[in-house]
Amino acid sequence: QLHLQESGPGLVKPSETLSLTCTVSGGSIINDFYYWGWIRQPPGKGLEWIGSVYYSGNTYYNPSFKSPATISVDTSKNQFSLTVTSVTAADTAVYYCARGSYSSRPGYYYHYMGVWGKGTTVTVSS
Amino acid sequence: SYDLTQPPSVSVSPGQTASITCSGDKLGDKYVSWYQQRPGQSPVLIIYQDKNRPSRIPERFSGSNSGNTATLTISGTQAMDEADYYCQAWDRNTVVFGGGTKLTVL
Repeated sequence: QLHLQESGPGLVKPSETLSLTCTVSGGSIINDFYYWGWIRQPPGKGLEWIGSVYYSGNTYYNPSFKSPATISVDTSKNQFSLTVTSVTAADTAVYYCARGSYSSRPGYYYHYMGVWGKGTTVTVSS
Repeated sequence: SYDLTQPPSVSVSPGQTASITCSGDKLGDKYVSWYQQRPGQSPVLIIYQDKNRPSRIPERFSGSNSGNTATLTISGTQAMDEADYYCQAWDRNTVVFGGGTKLTVL
């Protein structure tokens, strides 16, 4: 059974860099049918997609995401990571990693998150 | 950017049918997914590609999508279905979530 686990510091100071890692177990991150995504949820608010990465390193990012973010993958460790620089209080949220089913075939254009991690809470505060 | 609009809240009596809508420009041309999020838990995929249910999801959950509106229907709603529900689409290489709907079972 596929399992995703987020890890990283729970507290980050303003203007510093937030770094999170998602470790995938029970399956390989190398899979032609999936992208691996990061989604966050500020307290009391809805879901916001940050971006997704393929095992080859190809990425998609949310153009509306206000903070500078980078998503990378390490296939040797079966992990993918999120980095957000120059964080502010607005980056306080629960951060989820997820496996995303993906297709770009004509007539079958989709990307949705089928398996989610439990999430990790990140607070930006001095 | 592409927007998906959901009603903030929907109420339903136990055993009745709940319908949650998701609106977007020409949404029927896109595949829509739905997620359930109970308080303090991660979202769970309940509908994908408009109308398909993952194997572990009860049959009382169904989806449709046509025109500018996708609909999540919960038949015979149970108390355990009280949760937030989010629709989602993939538009121009961007995952877009609706704002979420709080379903109250009372």
